[in-house]
Amino acid sequence: NAGVTQTPKFQVLKTGQSMTLQCAQDMNHNSMYWYRQDPGMGLRLIYYSASEGTTDKGEVPNGYNVSRLNKREFSLRLESAAPSQTSVYFCASSEGWGRGNPYEQYFGPGTRLTVT
Amino acid sequence: GEDVEQSLFLSVREGDSSVINCTYTDSSSTYLYWYKQEPGAGLQLLTYIFSNMDMKQDQRLTVLLNKKDKHLSLRIADTQTGDSAIYFCAETPQGTASKLTFGTGTRLQVTL
Repeated sequence: NAGVTQTPKFQVLKTGQSMTLQCAQDMNHNSMYWYRQDPGMGLRLIYYSASEGTTDKGEVPNGYNVSRLNKREFSLRLESAAPSQTSVYFCASSEGWGRGNPYEQYFGPGTRLTVT
Repeated sequence: GEDVEQSLFLSVREGDSSVINCTYTDSSSTYLYWYKQEPGAGLQLLTYIFSNMDMKQDQRLTVLLNKKDKHLSLRIADTQTGDSAIYFCAETPQGTASKLTFGTGTRLQVTL
């Protein structure tokens, strides 16, 4: 089991360029998440997908779009990159979306994105 | 909104105990978590505690929760060099046990 995989590992973009970050999990999890991690701050939730076919905004969704392609894959798209989107992006997955249960989230290794 | 705060850095000697502290503001938090991030890696769940508990022990890890003061701590007994990492506390508000709010992280450095 690879767990949660992310591609690419590193990326440099110019302002205004677009790109898609890919995430896949092989644990048959129902829920998937995208976070960003900035220096001196905790991870912040960008978007999540509680189950296949649904997506919802998190804390910082502006400038991003997501697609839950199937149960395994959840992609994050930057349509017009800005320097403020320079960050480390983490994808995560969990067995379920808990209203009462703390489903453990499993994280990928991250994508380091620099926008110049 | 919710706010979760931690001190930025802690240095301990190998074999000593480490205590990492966290304060949070959301009194409706249902679960509080500790995650570990090793260099170049994603986060890994260490342990969590339900808000109606005040202590949880798991091998070398002890979590203490003071709900009145909204204070959470993680004690690592017999700290090893492999424990060097960034430790994040996180909480979930009532009704959404999957929407995590993370603290800023505490970098633990273990020296010989």
